[in-house]
Amino acid sequence: ETGVTQTPRHLVMGMTNKKSLKCEQHLGHNAMYWYKQSAKKPLELMFVYNFKEQTENNSVPSRFSPECPNSSHLFLHLHTLQPEDSALYLCASSQEYGNTIYFGEGSWLTVV
Amino acid sequence: AQSVTQLDSQVPVFEEAPVELRCNYSSSVSVYLFWYVQYPNQGLQLLLKYLSGSTLVKGINGFEAEFNKSQTSFHLRKPSVHISDTAEYFCAVSGGSNYKLTFGKGTLLTVNP
Repeated sequence: ETGVTQTPRHLVMGMTNKKSLKCEQHLGHNAMYWYKQSAKKPLELMFVYNFKEQTENNSVPSRFSPECPNSSHLFLHLHTLQPEDSALYLCASSQEYGNTIYFGEGSWLTVV
Repeated sequence: AQSVTQLDSQVPVFEEAPVELRCNYSSSVSVYLFWYVQYPNQGLQLLLKYLSGSTLVKGINGFEAEFNKSQTSFHLRKPSVHISDTAEYFCAVSGGSNYKLTFGKGTLLTVNP
């Protein structure tokens, strides 16, 4: 059982839809992350929030919009996605930025 | 800047055989080193980590890794693998607090009966 919970675990959406991925951590951590894992590609860090402030955005297209209302919750809002955005999206947290990272189970996203 | 190289993309072994998954890193600062495991259709789980102290680190499921500063390596080993160890293994390096965690491309370990 992980201290980082992601919902939904699976999502299929059309290119014109708007959906959101949710992440909640029960570890009392102050940093939260979104990673993208595509087939046959390395893990890609998308966004970092440290104490609710976005500290890193690795040139992610604007069709991905993160939101961090508090240190325990992180959202990834999705709109007008492309088929190549289909991937496993992993949420993670750490005590502070740079400390040991703990991952959730991931949300499988398919864009049709 | 820091980087991680996992030398083998796939490692097939037979059950009960020993295994070593290789990881080399480069970093301009002191490092923290990690191994994560990803079972099919799951997220990444921390297997073990080296932050300081003893260079031999023991993790879950009988795995261990040795930090070798002179060779800039952090190889993962298990003396006898099980079918259930079939998974993808990721090595990662960080310069410590306030440094980004950089992942390798992963090594797929397949344990055959």
